[in-house]
Amino acid sequence: NAGVTQTPKFRILKIGQSMTLQCAQDMNHNYMYWYRQDPGMGLKLIYYSVGAGITDKGEVPNGYNVSRSTTEDFPLRLELAAPSQTSVYFCASSYVQRDTQYFGPGTRLTVL
Amino acid sequence: AQKVTQAQTEISVVEKEDVTLDCVYETRDTTYYLFWYKQPPSGELVFLIRRNSFDEQNEISGRYSWNFQKSTSSFNFTITASQVVDSAVYFCALSEARVPGGGADGLTFGKGTHLIIQP
Repeated sequence: NAGVTQTPKFRILKIGQSMTLQCAQDMNHNYMYWYRQDPGMGLKLIYYSVGAGITDKGEVPNGYNVSRSTTEDFPLRLELAAPSQTSVYFCASSYVQRDTQYFGPGTRLTVL
Repeated sequence: AQKVTQAQTEISVVEKEDVTLDCVYETRDTTYYLFWYKQPPSGELVFLIRRNSFDEQNEISGRYSWNFQKSTSSFNFTITASQVVDSAVYFCALSEARVPGGGADGLTFGKGTHLIIQP
């Protein structure tokens, strides 16, 4: 199993550009999550999904959108990139509610 | 107020010393879960332990041990005979039944403790 995979690993965006961060898992997990990690801080939840077609906001959802059309994939969309979105983004998945979350390797995003 | 407090921003010890990383949490739920994750310099997040609120037994896994005390809302992590490979940022995290404002199923992380093991 590859576990949780994320692409790209690194990306530089200009202000106002848009992009999609990809996340996929092959563990047949129902729950998937997006977090961001700012320097010297813990991770903060952006969005999460409890299954295909069901998503909900986390602590810091502004400026992001998600969709979940399949169990395996949970892309995160940035529509109008801003410098405040410079961060490392982690995707995670778990089998059931409040189970252990397994994390992808992260995407380092810089907005200039 | 922080839900998960890791008061030690950075700890530096010499190899083979024992070191304890503190974690204090805040929740109104009776059912909750606590986690520790390790983030080595390479950046990935490695799961270490998950503990539910009804299990107060201490746990030992090799050189790692965890002390869960509900009376003080603490879930501390001890590394015995530390090694250079233990150098990393360690995060404590909380999963509650419900988080005000949303994110009912996500983890609430502390800010992490940067552990430096000097050879």
